[in-house]
Amino acid sequence: DAKTTQPPSMDCAEGRAANLPCNHSTISGNEYVYWYRQIHSQGPQYIIHGLKNNETNEMASLIITEDRKSSTLILPHATLRDTAVYYCIVPTGTASKLTFGTGTRLQVTL
Amino acid sequence: GAVVSQHPSWVICKSGTSVKIECRSLDFQATTMFWYRQFPKQSLMLMATSNEGSKATYEQGVEKDKFLINHASLTLSTLTVTSAHPEDSSFYICSAGGVSNYGYTFGSGTRLTVV
Repeated sequence: DAKTTQPPSMDCAEGRAANLPCNHSTISGNEYVYWYRQIHSQGPQYIIHGLKNNETNEMASLIITEDRKSSTLILPHATLRDTAVYYCIVPTGTASKLTFGTGTRLQVTL
Repeated sequence: GAVVSQHPSWVICKSGTSVKIECRSLDFQATTMFWYRQFPKQSLMLMATSNEGSKATYEQGVEKDKFLINHASLTLSTLTVTSAHPEDSSFYICSAGGVSNYGYTFGSGTRLTVV
C-alpha cells in the first residue's frame, strides 16, 4: 500500500471538531484514500473514502488536497464515543487488501 | 447493508487443540476475504487473503499449515488455528471488501485465548 503517515495521538474536546491529518505523498492517480476507526476490542469501522473530491457523509468529512498527497478527516462535533484509533489507508494492488499502519489515537474529553 | 458476521466472538481453548473461526458476508457475496491478527496495543496485521474456490494467499511469515483457511462459498470463509499454543492468543478479525459505498467491512473480531 502507498505509505501513510499519521500523528500517533490527538486530543479533542467534546463538541469540538476533530481534524485528523494523513500524509500519503506516494499515492498514485487511481488510488483511493480510505479512513477507518477501531474502538477498543472491536473490528474496524468504515468511515469514509475518496479519490479527488472532498467527501461528506453522516459520520465525517474528508478533505483531500489538490495534489492528493495529504488528506484530513473531520469529525464535526466529536463525542466521547468517537474515542478510537483512526486509520488512513491507501489500498493498492489488484487484491486491494488493506494494510494498517499505526493510526492516530483520538481521545475525546469532556 | 454490507454486514460481515464473525463467530465466535471469543473462545478459550487448551494448548494443542484446534479452533475454527467463521466469517460470513450476510447481504453480499465476497469472492475475497481477508484475515487479520491483532496483538494488544498493536495495529492489525494482515495474515492472509482468502479466495473463494482456490487457495488462500498468505503474507510473509504466516504459517499456512498452522492457519488453515477455507473459502468454500461466496459468503463463508473459515480460519482454523491448528495445534494452538499460548502465543497464538490474539484478536482475529476478518473482512470482506470492495463494496463501493461501504468500503471494506470488518467482522467484530474473535478473541482467542489459549491456555
